[in-house]
Amino acid sequence: DIQMTQSPASLSVSVGETVTITCRASENIYSNLAWYQQKQGKSPQLLVYAATNLADGVPSRFSGSGSGTQYSLKINSLQSEDFGSYYCQHFWGTPFTFGSGTKLEIK
Amino acid sequence: EVQLQQSGPELVKPGASMKISCKASGYSFTGYTMNWVKQSHGKNLEWIGLINPYNGGTSYNQKFKGKATLTVDKSSSTAYMELLSLTSEDSAVYYCARNYVNYFDYWGQGTTLTVSS
Repeated sequence: DIQMTQSPASLSVSVGETVTITCRASENIYSNLAWYQQKQGKSPQLLVYAATNLADGVPSRFSGSGSGTQYSLKINSLQSEDFGSYYCQHFWGTPFTFGSGTKLEIK
Repeated sequence: EVQLQQSGPELVKPGASMKISCKASGYSFTGYTMNWVKQSHGKNLEWIGLINPYNGGTSYNQKFKGKATLTVDKSSSTAYMELLSLTSEDSAVYYCARNYVNYFDYWGQGTTLTVSS
């Protein structure tokens, strides 16, 4: 099974700052990676698919990058609505493992 | 509009079994695989498995084999997950999620399962 190592586990940041979350796969996943945002008590929502493609309606301050085993989600100029938890997930064969999550909190 | 409507919260006793439903609407049910995800303590997401509603084919995370059974009813566009021999470790929120190519584009609202005597 492919393991997804996500970091950091938590971040305390201020509105307007830029953050980067990373995921490392235990083997090459050929950009078959998605990022989700989850607000407290809600279902995860798709942000990025195929490593670099923004889902419909996602603000352009979000961007995904990476290849091979290393991937990143960058959020420019954080807004108050961006706080919550973020998860990566690979799709290079089952099981479709998730990263352990990053909790973004307001400083 | 695509919607995945899950059944309500459940409180069940240890050792029992239970079934969660996920009713799909707004798209061709047999055209997309349906996945199930477990979230414990509001944190880690675990992929349980998937089912192809077109032919009933399934794929399970080895960790959940023997614990979860996935089925569908094409006539009602509903996916089901049965959880067997429940213990406190099964207490969690369970989601269904539609799989489009290499991502989950729609999720159900989640079903909270509490296993307690």
